[in-house]
Amino acid sequence: GAVVSQHPSWVICKSGTSVKIECRSLDFQATTMFWYRQFPKQSLMLMATSNEGSKATYEQGVEKDKFLINHASLTLSTLTVTSAHPEDSSFYICSARDWGLAGPGGETQYFGPGTRLLVL
Amino acid sequence: AQSVTQPDIHITVSEGASLELRCNYSYGATPYLFWYVQSPGQGLQLLLKYFSGDTLVQGIKGFEAEFKRSQSSFNLRKPSVHWSDAAEYFCAVGASQAGTALIFGKGTTLSVSS
Repeated sequence: GAVVSQHPSWVICKSGTSVKIECRSLDFQATTMFWYRQFPKQSLMLMATSNEGSKATYEQGVEKDKFLINHASLTLSTLTVTSAHPEDSSFYICSARDWGLAGPGGETQYFGPGTRLLVL
Repeated sequence: AQSVTQPDIHITVSEGASLELRCNYSYGATPYLFWYVQSPGQGLQLLLKYFSGDTLVQGIKGFEAEFKRSQSSFNLRKPSVHWSDAAEYFCAVGASQAGTALIFGKGTTLSVSS
């Protein structure tokens, strides 16, 4: 159980285009999902916290108009990189908490396999 | 300030040898502690977690970790390393409040020599 998928796993796009990345919890409901960005050989940097049915909370320094997050259902959150530029090239990872687990177990985050974005 | 420190950037161990990866944290509230492993180009897989109770926790793939409150540490151990354990290991800390994001250490790269 507790599987999180991401789609696509790889995407190459031209500068100026927009890219949508999907994050799905396959076998549990997730009221909260998190979006991270990871640069090569570095740790994960939290970009935003996505809550189902409400606006995402962005970390300081993350442009909310550039990285649009929509958490439309308990199993799906999307990250749209708008007007992508080469500096947006990175590895994007989402995670989800299992809302159905009460107590500390519900605080465990399960990660998707990541999406590698390359902007030319 | 809340932070997680993994002092070792890169560790190389021989196959069959024991392993210990260090993790120290600074956190104001009661911490929930996690170890994740990441293979190249992949997402993160949960190895083990500590919320409360027994300070020695067992995880998957033969890993264990010990929580030491007095030292603010949560070191990961494995008695005998396999070549397939070569990966990036991340220690993370979270809070009991719902919806709180994890704070990650910078990671330790484990190489396994034959």
